[in-house]
Amino acid sequence: EAGVAQSPRYKIIEKRQSVAFWCNPISGHATLYWYQQILGQGPKLLIQFQNNGVVDDSQLPKDRFSAERLKGVDSTLKIQPAKLEDSAVYLCASSLHPTSGSMGEQYFGPGTRLTVT
Amino acid sequence: GDSVTQMEGPVTLSEEAFLTINCTYTATGYPSLFWYVQYPGEGLQLLLKATKADDKGSNKGFEATYRKETTSFHLEKGSVQVSDSAVYFCALTKADRGSTLGRLYFGRGTQLTVWP
Repeated sequence: EAGVAQSPRYKIIEKRQSVAFWCNPISGHATLYWYQQILGQGPKLLIQFQNNGVVDDSQLPKDRFSAERLKGVDSTLKIQPAKLEDSAVYLCASSLHPTSGSMGEQYFGPGTRLTVT
Repeated sequence: GDSVTQMEGPVTLSEEAFLTINCTYTATGYPSLFWYVQYPGEGLQLLLKATKADDKGSNKGFEATYRKETTSFHLEKGSVQVSDSAVYFCALTKADRGSTLGRLYFGRGTQLTVWP
């Protein structure tokens, strides 16, 4: 079974530029999550999708971050314009369905390491 | 709010030493507790979990017991190997009505290095 795929793995941009990350979850997983992991900290949820609807985006800085999940499968996370403090690893995860997500397993991709200079 | 506190790292041990990584949590309701592991260059993987008080999660020689009275979920292993070198994250999610199902709250992570 293929895991969660993310691209690119690494990205370096200058502040005020824009960037986009892509995630392909495990086939059949209805729930998709984007987390931000700043160096030395644990991952923090940015947004959670159930199929193609948003369940929780309370921690997403909506003035610069946006995310979509078209057709309930792949997802993209965009930052525009980027700030220095956005330097982090952006992790995508998926789980089979919301009930299992609460007590079961979220499967994580390898992440995208973003450096903003 | 809901949160997880892990012991400060890094932790450096010799092979076959005993490992304990402390984790305490703050949460209302009835959280489920997890340990995730991140090996160098890889994504987070679930190591073990416990969904109710007094449950013991175990996997690959690692164990953790859900202690509601002390709000703790300490990770232990009796004899570590070089291959256990990784970053370990304690996490919780909520299972009670009204919570956002599936949202994980992570600790800061503890870097473990095991020397041969």
